[in-house]
Amino acid sequence: DIQMTQSPSSLSASVGDRVTITCRASQSIRSYLNWYQQRPGKAPNLLIYATSSLQSGVPSRFSGSGSGTYFTLTISSLQPEDFATYYCQQSYSPPPTFGQGSKLEIK
Amino acid sequence: QVQLVQSGAEVKKPGSSVKVSCKASGGTFSRYAISWVRLAPGQGLEWMGRIIPIVGTVKYAQKFQDRLTITADKSTNTAYMELSSLRSEDTAVYYCARGGQLVYYMDVWGKGTTVTVSS
Repeated sequence: DIQMTQSPSSLSASVGDRVTITCRASQSIRSYLNWYQQRPGKAPNLLIYATSSLQSGVPSRFSGSGSGTYFTLTISSLQPEDFATYYCQQSYSPPPTFGQGSKLEIK
Repeated sequence: QVQLVQSGAEVKKPGSSVKVSCKASGGTFSRYAISWVRLAPGQGLEWMGRIIPIVGTVKYAQKFQDRLTITADKSTNTAYMELSSLRSEDTAVYYCARGGQLVYYMDVWGKGTTVTVSS
């Protein structure tokens, strides 16, 4: 199985900050990388698929980039509702595997 | 817009089985894939397996191959996940989620079903 590693595992930031989360794959996954947001007690929500395509309804402050084994999720200006846990997930080769999560907390 | 409605919370004894349902409403069901993903306390998301109801194709993660059964009833737009030989480590929130037949990302999720395994 392809291993996905996120960093940092947790981070603190303030409203209005720019934040970047990274995700590395154990082998090349081309551009088959997706990002989810999960708020406490809620289901995951697809933010970005295929590295950089914004899911319908997701605010434009979210963006993704990368290819091969290195990917990033950037939130350009944090809003109060963005404090959550973020997961990357590869969809290049089954089984789809997730990173361990990056918890974004309010500073 | 399709919604996935899951069955209610379960409490099970070690060694028993649990069956969770996921009913699609407000849209098509059969031509998509329905995956099952779990979130255990202190852990990350874990994909367990999926079914494509229109063809009945099922794929399981190796870890669950021996004790997981995923089925679907096209007539009621409902998918099922049955996990047997339960142990305490199976305590988790179980989600069903919709994805494409040829892709493994999930764009519509159920709200989750909490399964607690305790003696």
